[in-house]
Amino acid sequence: DTGVSQDPRHKITKRGQNVTFRCDPISEHNRLYWYRQTLGQGPEFLTYFQNEAQLEKSRLLSDRFSAERPKGSFSTLEIQRTEQGDSAMYLCASSTGLAGLADTQYFGPGTRLTVL
Amino acid sequence: KNQVEQSPQSLIILEGKNCTLQCNYTVSPFSNLRWYKQDTGRGPVSLTIMTFSENTKSNGRYTATLDADTKQSSLHITASQLSDSASYICVGSSGGSYIPTFGRGTSLIVHP
Repeated sequence: DTGVSQDPRHKITKRGQNVTFRCDPISEHNRLYWYRQTLGQGPEFLTYFQNEAQLEKSRLLSDRFSAERPKGSFSTLEIQRTEQGDSAMYLCASSTGLAGLADTQYFGPGTRLTVL
Repeated sequence: KNQVEQSPQSLIILEGKNCTLQCNYTVSPFSNLRWYKQDTGRGPVSLTIMTFSENTKSNGRYTATLDADTKQSSLHITASQLSDSASYICVGSSGGSYIPTFGRGTSLIVHP
C-alpha cells in the first residue's frame, strides 16, 4: 500500500453514461497526476495538479474529460458520455513537488473502467 | 520528443534463474531514470531511481545500471521468484518537465 487510494476499484458502465473516479493522495503531497493505461502499454499522462491548480493537460484529455482538485486535497476525474474506447485502467499518483529525486510519484491501485 | 523504449516486450523464465531487462531512453535534458514494478491489476511501485552520475543502483535482488553515454539502462533480477512475475516499466524524467516519459513495460513471467 503506497498511501494513495482510489475509488472505485472497478466500474462497469454503459456507453453514453457519465462516470466519476476519486483519488486520495498522500496527505502532504502537493502534486497529483492522472494517467490512463491500456493493456500491454505504459501509463499515458492525462493531467496534473499543483495543489488545487490544474497546470497541464494532455491532448488525450478530450472535452468529455474533466478533473478537479478542490482545496488541493482529493481529486476527481469525470468522463462524460463514455465510449468503448474509454475502457482502461485510470491511475492516480501523487508526489511531494520537491525537485529531482525527491519527487517520486506514488501510484494508487487504479480504477478499472469497462464501457459496454 | 522524449521517448523510452523497452525490450523484450515479454519474457518467461524459470524460478531461480537470473534475467536482464533493457531500456533505451531519449530524454532531454536528462534528470533521472526510474524502474517501476507493476503487479497485475495494481499501480506501479518504484524500484530504483538513478541520475546521470550513478551507473549502478541495487534494491535487494534488483540491480539497475545506467549508461548516460549510450542512453541505456538495464534491470537485472537475481535468483528470480514467482512473486517477480509482473510488468517492469522504465521511466525517464527530464529537467524541463514535471511529466515523466513511460516505457511500455516488459512483462515478466516466472514459472516454477
